[in-house]
Amino acid sequence: TQLLEQSPQFLSIQEGENLTVYCNSSSVFSSLQWYRQEPGEGPVLLVTVVTGGEVKKLKRLTFQFGDARKDSSLHITAAQPGDTGLYLCAATPFNKFYFGSGTKLNVKP
Amino acid sequence: NAGVTQTPKFRILKIGQSMTLQCAQDMNHNYMYWYRQDPGMGLKLIYYSVGAGITDKGEVPNGYNVSRSTTEDFPLRLELAAPSQTSVYFCASAHTEAFFGQGTRLTVV
Repeated sequence: TQLLEQSPQFLSIQEGENLTVYCNSSSVFSSLQWYRQEPGEGPVLLVTVVTGGEVKKLKRLTFQFGDARKDSSLHITAAQPGDTGLYLCAATPFNKFYFGSGTKLNVKP
Repeated sequence: NAGVTQTPKFRILKIGQSMTLQCAQDMNHNYMYWYRQDPGMGLKLIYYSVGAGITDKGEVPNGYNVSRSTTEDFPLRLELAAPSQTSVYFCASAHTEAFFGQGTRLTVV
């Protein structure tokens, strides 16, 4: 059983569309992180959310941490081809970084 | 500033051979991690270390071994390579966020 379940697994959309990806768990976390991974590279941190209900914005990306601190979402407004990549959520119980299975996003021009 | 350096970048092994994947970081992080990533999937934690001389198993440790003699280095050893170990291997070091190397693409034939 995965500690972090991400959905959808794959997403292929046209440039300009909006999308939301989800990260869910049955466990409560003190924080959750979102990373983006491009082909041939390691993941790179996008954001850390630490407070239940918290919303953080990074340009066209909006991250939300659930009130119960068990889930998180990433919303992208007006997606661009440069947003293409694998989006991973991560939690760090007991100093171990656990990653979800990821959402592979493809934005077509 | 090199960050996390992994070598080699690519390797082909025959079944039953052994090898060591090297990982070095120059950020003076105590926490280091080894992951494997199968095609289109997320990251599975193999082993981790919270400091020199201290290592522990992650989600998928079978077939692998690690050592941590210094803060900087965290090599991963494969003793008897099997086709199931064909994957991309990422090393990471962390304080509050994880920094990744560029990965080692390993094929076992």
